[in-house]
Amino acid sequence: KAGVTQTPRYLIKTRGQQVTLSCSPISGHRSVSWYQQTPGQGLQFLFEYFSETQRNKGNFPGRFSGRQFSNSRSEMNVSTLELGDSALYLCASSGTSDTFQETQYFGPGTRLLVL
Amino acid sequence: AQSVSQHNHHVILSEAASLELGCNYSYGGTVNLFWYVQYPGQHLQLLLKYFSGDPLVKGIKGFEAEFIKSKFSFNLRKPSVQWSDTAEYFCAVTRTFTGNQFYFGTGTSLTVIP
Repeated sequence: KAGVTQTPRYLIKTRGQQVTLSCSPISGHRSVSWYQQTPGQGLQFLFEYFSETQRNKGNFPGRFSGRQFSNSRSEMNVSTLELGDSALYLCASSGTSDTFQETQYFGPGTRLLVL
Repeated sequence: AQSVSQHNHHVILSEAASLELGCNYSYGGTVNLFWYVQYPGQHLQLLLKYFSGDPLVKGIKGFEAEFIKSKFSFNLRKPSVQWSDTAEYFCAVTRTFTGNQFYFGTGTSLTVIP
């Protein structure tokens, strides 16, 4: 089975711009979660989508949003970029059912640099 | 605040030394526990997980972890490390019945000297 894929892998943007990141989960997985990884804060949960519905949300401002499509692919959008948004954004997929005892499988991440 | 704590931020060992990385969490109720590893330049990979049953779980590459409920701990161990174990190790917790939100520790950087 193909793993979780994320595009693009690297991105450079300037302050004030917006960015959209894409994630394709493992085939059959219905849950997609997004995380922000920075050296100072570690891995922080952004949100989780399951069957096109946001099921959980972390403590990030409204500039961070996401959505999931009927094929389980997910996108994450960050509007009005700030320097502090520079990070590695990780996508993880899990779940062929709606249980909560699932292992998450991570993609390689999108490294975003905001100048 | 509820959290996942990894007390060892940086660990340096010689090859063949034994490894134990600490992980403590502060969430009540039923939890699921994981250790992930991130090798240099690679993505996060699952080492092992605990959902229920035998509190001593074995993972890939000779790693094991023990869940001690009374201590809210899930420490990772390996009897003899290799240079290829150099990586960042993350402990993670999910809370059963509240979704797939993973609460991660801040990570432990392990360097193994040949």
